[in-house]
Amino acid sequence: QQKVQQSPESLTVSEGAMASLNCTFSDGTSNNFRWYRQHSAKGLEVLVSIFSDGEKEEGRFTAHLNRANLHVSLHIREPQPSDSAVYLCAVNYNQGKLIFGQGTKLSIKP
Amino acid sequence: AQTIHQWPVAEIKAVGSPLSLGCTIKGKSSPNLYWYWQATGGTLQQLFYSITVGQVESVVQLNLSASRPKDDQFILSTEKLLLSHSGFYLCAQGDSGNSDYTFGSGTRLLVI
Repeated sequence: QQKVQQSPESLTVSEGAMASLNCTFSDGTSNNFRWYRQHSAKGLEVLVSIFSDGEKEEGRFTAHLNRANLHVSLHIREPQPSDSAVYLCAVNYNQGKLIFGQGTKLSIKP
Repeated sequence: AQTIHQWPVAEIKAVGSPLSLGCTIKGKSSPNLYWYWQATGGTLQQLFYSITVGQVESVVQLNLSASRPKDDQFILSTEKLLLSHSGFYLCAQGDSGNSDYTFGSGTRLLVI
């Protein structure tokens, strides 16, 4: 069964410092990977989609993918208090199957 | 641009009562449609997906059912709600390839 595991469960970072979130997946047949943000159980905001090994940057958000290590990470540059939210890693498999991690709750201290 | 409208925004329902949640998609023809559910503090789980009108596949069994009566409409329902049905329900549309998913803003359900 495909599984997605995120770490840490929660993270507090000072405003302006780099925030780093991790995600491991169990199945190397995945098509692509996405990072989403969710504010207080509202809809999901897509941050970065990455398909190939390496790095993908979208504004202050950078994803790193290493399929051999079954690992994808998200780095947030110069985080602000408004970036406080739950961050979700999602792995896309065939037939539109999207498996989510349990989320990392990120808090940014002013 | 694709838009997804979900209704209602929030519901408080009694155990044993029926439920119907709706989702309509604009701006894309023949979309792949999905229902997701998130228990409070839990992980988002895919419940159903539909590739075409009249066809729905179940992914997780939660004593819920889904139907796709029109190309742009996806309905989630049950005749008898359980306490365990409480949570946050999201409708999404996407392709089986590498295209981005679009999510609705969700329905918050509390069963009492």
